[in-house]
Amino acid sequence: EAGVVQSPRYKIIEKKQPVAFWCNPISGHNTLYWYRQNLGQGPELLIRYENEEAVDDSQLPKDRFSAERLKGVDSTLKIQPAELGDSAVYLCASSLTFGEAYEQYFGPGTRLTVT
Amino acid sequence: AQSVTQLDSQVPVFEEAPVELRCNYSSSVSVYLFWYVQYPNQGLQLLLKYLSGSTLVESINGFEAEFNKSQTSFHLRKPSVHISDTAEYFCAVSRSQGNLIFGKGTKLSVKP
Repeated sequence: EAGVVQSPRYKIIEKKQPVAFWCNPISGHNTLYWYRQNLGQGPELLIRYENEEAVDDSQLPKDRFSAERLKGVDSTLKIQPAELGDSAVYLCASSLTFGEAYEQYFGPGTRLTVT
Repeated sequence: AQSVTQLDSQVPVFEEAPVELRCNYSSSVSVYLFWYVQYPNQGLQLLLKYLSGSTLVESINGFEAEFNKSQTSFHLRKPSVHISDTAEYFCAVSRSQGNLIFGKGTKLSVKP
């Protein structure tokens, strides 16, 4: 069974440019998560989807970040415009459904560097 | 609010030595506890978790962790580490139907 797929793995952009990250979760997983992991920190949740609905986006900086999960499968996270402080690893995870009993499976992440 | 403290950012240890990675949490409600491992250039993987029942939980590769409610701790231990255990380990906490809150991670470096 394929794991969570993310692309690109690495991205270098100049500040004020837009950038997008793509995630394909494990087949059949209804819940999808986007996390941001700053250097030396643990992952922090940005947004959680249940199927195509964003049920928790309280930590998403909505002035520059947006996300979508059309048809409840793949998801895209966008930053426009990027700032220097957005440099981080962006992780996507998925689980069968939401709850402590359901393991979250993580992708390898996209390392974003904003110069 | 919940929080997780991993007291050591880096732990160097020699192969076949025992290791303990410390994790403390703060929460005013009942919590569930997790350890995730991240090998170089890979995503995080669940190592073990405590949801209920026995306070001692074990993983398939020899790690164990004990939930200690009075000390609000969930330390990870292994009696004899291997080179292949070199990775970053994250402790995480959640409440019922809550999101995972991660600690800052501990980098375990096993030397021959």
